[in-house]
Amino acid sequence: DIQMTQSPSTLSASVGDTVTITCRASQHINTWLAWYQQKPGKAPRLLVYKASRLESGVPSRFSGSGSGTEFTLTISSLQPDDVATYYCQQYDSSSWAFGQGTKVEIK
Amino acid sequence: QVQVTQSGAEVKKPGSSVRVSCKASGGTFNKFGISWVRQAPGQGLEWMGHIIIVFGTTNYAERFQGRVTITADESTNTAYMELTTLRSDDTGVYFCALDTDLGDDSLDTWGQGTMVIVSS
Repeated sequence: DIQMTQSPSTLSASVGDTVTITCRASQHINTWLAWYQQKPGKAPRLLVYKASRLESGVPSRFSGSGSGTEFTLTISSLQPDDVATYYCQQYDSSSWAFGQGTKVEIK
Repeated sequence: QVQVTQSGAEVKKPGSSVRVSCKASGGTFNKFGISWVRQAPGQGLEWMGHIIIVFGTTNYAERFQGRVTITADESTNTAYMELTTLRSDDTGVYFCALDTDLGDDSLDTWGQGTMVIVSS
C-alpha cells in the first residue's frame, strides 16, 4: 500500500505569514493528491484536488503544488480562521490513504 | 448541491456489529463514489474503503479486509458501512464522504459523522 507522510506534525505561525505543509508519497501517485482542512468537532473539507486545483469556494490564499511523490500545501497570509488540522490524501491506487495530519496554530 | 445525512450515534458491545447509513440528497446518486473514513478519538483520518455506485465495485483498506462491507441502495440514495467483530479500538467517528465529480475521485462532500462507541 502507498504510505503518505506529512511534515511538520505541528506548526505555529503569525497572522499574515506564509506557511507550507509537505506531503510525501511512498510511491509515485502522479497528481492524484487532495488536501483537506478539519476544524475540531467538524467534518473535513476539501481544499485542493488533483494536487493543484482549488475547490470551489476555497479562499485563494490556499494553493497546492507537486507531482509524483512530493507535494505541498501553501497558505499565504495566514488568517485566524485557518487554525485547523490539514490532511493530504492519495487516491491513485485502489487503496487510498491519508497523511497523519498537520496541526496549524497561531502564535 | 449534494447534501449528506448520516445515521445517529451507536453504542455496541465488543464482538458485535454496527451498520452506519449515509443518505444523499441532490445530484445523481449512481454517478457518485462513496468512501468511509474513521477517526479515533484525538487521532487522524483513516480511509476504510470505497464504493463506485454505478458499478457496485468496492475497495477496502487491508487492515479492515474481512470485517467491513460497504453497500449502496440506489432506490433510497443510501450507502451503508457494516463493521463486524467490533473491538474497543473501533471506537470513533465514522464519516461517509462522496466524490461527486465524474472526472476526479477526491472527496468533495462529507457527512456529519457518526459516533460509534464500543464498550462492555
